[in-house]
Amino acid sequence: AQSVSQHNHHVILSEAASLELGCNYSYGGTVNLFWYVQYPGQHLQLLLKYFSGDPLVKGIKGFEAEFIKSKFSFNLRKPSVQWSDTAEYFCAVNAVKNSGYALNFGKGTSLLVTP
Amino acid sequence: DSGVTQTPKHLITATGQRVTLRCSPRSGDLSVYWYQQSLDQGLQFLIQYYNGEERAKGNILERFSAQQFPDLHSELNLSSLELGDSALYFCASSLTGDGNQPQHFGDGTRLSIL
Repeated sequence: AQSVSQHNHHVILSEAASLELGCNYSYGGTVNLFWYVQYPGQHLQLLLKYFSGDPLVKGIKGFEAEFIKSKFSFNLRKPSVQWSDTAEYFCAVNAVKNSGYALNFGKGTSLLVTP
Repeated sequence: DSGVTQTPKHLITATGQRVTLRCSPRSGDLSVYWYQQSLDQGLQFLIQYYNGEERAKGNILERFSAQQFPDLHSELNLSSLELGDSALYFCASSLTGDGNQPQHFGDGTRLSIL
């Protein structure tokens, strides 16, 4: 069955610490991968996406992610987090569904950045 | 602002009732998606429409139905509501429905069943 796993459910970091959030997917075909962020009380915003090409993708707000096909992983990284990065982070795979597509989300990782 | 508009923002109703959630996609987007977000289930895909036609169906209950109109706005109808239907319902839209464009999400409708 297709699935997306996020290893860390809750992460607490101090400002300026480095961040890496794990994401693994189970899907036996070509995948489009995404990271979305949900700030408290807000809608999901696209951080970055991978469709093809360079497996290291850069997104908004200094985030980047690396697609490692052999490991079925798409981990999110940021060298130095800020208090404003406190949010819920979701990894997602665009999966074929019937004759269309749907985002299959991980359970999310709640990030708290302390001053 | 994602450009996807959802109304209403909040809805409080009782068990057994019926509600309609509305979504206007970003200008130019032809595909609309509905998702349900709850604490226990996380983000679950419900249904996708593309240019008025249903394209994909996920974990959508038979009590729920949706449609996309010729002006491309979409409505999600929830009937015979149960306490467990309390959740945040998101609409998203994309330019195409072929999986090669990112989905952009609205602010959601928070549905509370009393």
